[in-house]
Amino acid sequence: GDSVTQMEGPVTLSEEACLTINCTYTATGYPSLFWYVQYPGEGLQLLLKATKADDKGSNKGFEATYRKETTSFHLEKGSVQVSDSAVYFCALSDRWGSQGNLIFGKGTKLSVKP
Amino acid sequence: DVKVTQSSRYLVKRTGEKVFLECVQDMDHENMFWYRQDPGLGLRLIYFSYDVKMKEKGDIPEGYSVSREKKERFSLILESASTNQTSMYLCASSYIGQPQHFGDGTRLSIL
Repeated sequence: GDSVTQMEGPVTLSEEACLTINCTYTATGYPSLFWYVQYPGEGLQLLLKATKADDKGSNKGFEATYRKETTSFHLEKGSVQVSDSAVYFCALSDRWGSQGNLIFGKGTKLSVKP
Repeated sequence: DVKVTQSSRYLVKRTGEKVFLECVQDMDHENMFWYRQDPGLGLRLIYFSYDVKMKEKGDIPEGYSVSREKKERFSLILESASTNQTSMYLCASSYIGQPQHFGDGTRLSIL
């Protein structure tokens, strides 16, 4: 079945460091890909998405490019801030599925130190 | 902005009790979902619903049931709570084929 694998955390960075969180997927068909973020004590928020190959999603300085040839959707940010400390989830959805069910990775906790 | 509201942020119940978790969304979304979130396991889908009175099992439906009598409300029911159901429960909703919007979660402890 479809699955998502993302790098295990926790990841600890200093402020202004570069961030990459790896995400690879296995899917039949043509999935849409998402990054969700969960700040402490809150639910998940959609961070960015890409619906087809070579699409780049971007939001709040974060970017991820849908790479069909490597089945990857790595999350990147050039300069992280303390406020980026959160848990990040990569997810996929079968774009042809009528229910839009999501399959999540296990999450990567990011801590950014001042 | 989409609002998905879960009735409780924290809940403590006893083994064997029947537990109701409520979720309401204000965007007329067709789809609604219940997940549980556990450390090291990520989010796992319990049940989802794509219309009023319709429900589908997710990956881990055992020990749970759901109810969707109105479009905006989706209830998760623990028929007889057990300690292994202690977890964070997240509700989400979406239009068909669109990203899901999540509530803030209910942290449920079963003693």
